[in-house]
Amino acid sequence: DTEVTQTPKHLVMGMTNKKSLKCEQHMGHRAMYWYKQKAKKPPELMFVYSYEKLSINESVPSRFSPECPNSSLLNLHLHALQPEDSALYLCASSQDFGTGGNEKLFFGSGTQLSVL
Amino acid sequence: AQSVTQLDSQVPVFEEAPVELRCNYSSSVSVYLFWYVQYPNQGLQLLLKYLSGSTLVKGINGFEAEFNKSQTSFHLRKPSVHISDTAEYFCAVSRTSGGYQKVTFGIGTKLQVIP
Repeated sequence: DTEVTQTPKHLVMGMTNKKSLKCEQHMGHRAMYWYKQKAKKPPELMFVYSYEKLSINESVPSRFSPECPNSSLLNLHLHALQPEDSALYLCASSQDFGTGGNEKLFFGSGTQLSVL
Repeated sequence: AQSVTQLDSQVPVFEEAPVELRCNYSSSVSVYLFWYVQYPNQGLQLLLKYLSGSTLVKGINGFEAEFNKSQTSFHLRKPSVHISDTAEYFCAVSRTSGGYQKVTFGIGTKLQVIP
């Protein structure tokens, strides 16, 4: 299994809603990532988890809250989002983290989020 | 700091014609170089990567790229494109920074194959 699975594929939410994005991989990877991709832009790193611990938070607003319940799962909890948060949210994983920068990233298909 | 420049935002090309997607990078330290492809409504998929050794790297789907250190370039090529190659292509550089892998993506080049 070489897949990163993200659910849901599409999500529409209001600014007062609370929702969660889910990501799962069964490749035994120890690093997992959340990226945000606006239309016609490259992915931007949000968070990195290494061995189930939050290693990197790229100054993301607190309305985004990541969680790594175990080595295979990564969640992104959303609360009180703004319309400008509408984007494609991509989850990725890699075998390890900080081993020289040459790790291949495996990406999920993403969750297309629309905030109304 | 590291950065990636993809000079062409959109490249139209006829089916079975060759194509080159340009990528230039800058970094004060050694980096690793990658090309990722993103099909519509999909995540990114690795096409190929350059870590060291031979400067000509072959990837999936018939793509190849050449690392040129003096010109700080890593252009992607395919001798004959197919309709199914229509997608967004991202060049990326990666290095270890503060103990983790920092990946910087270019803005992407949309390859449009015309039948």
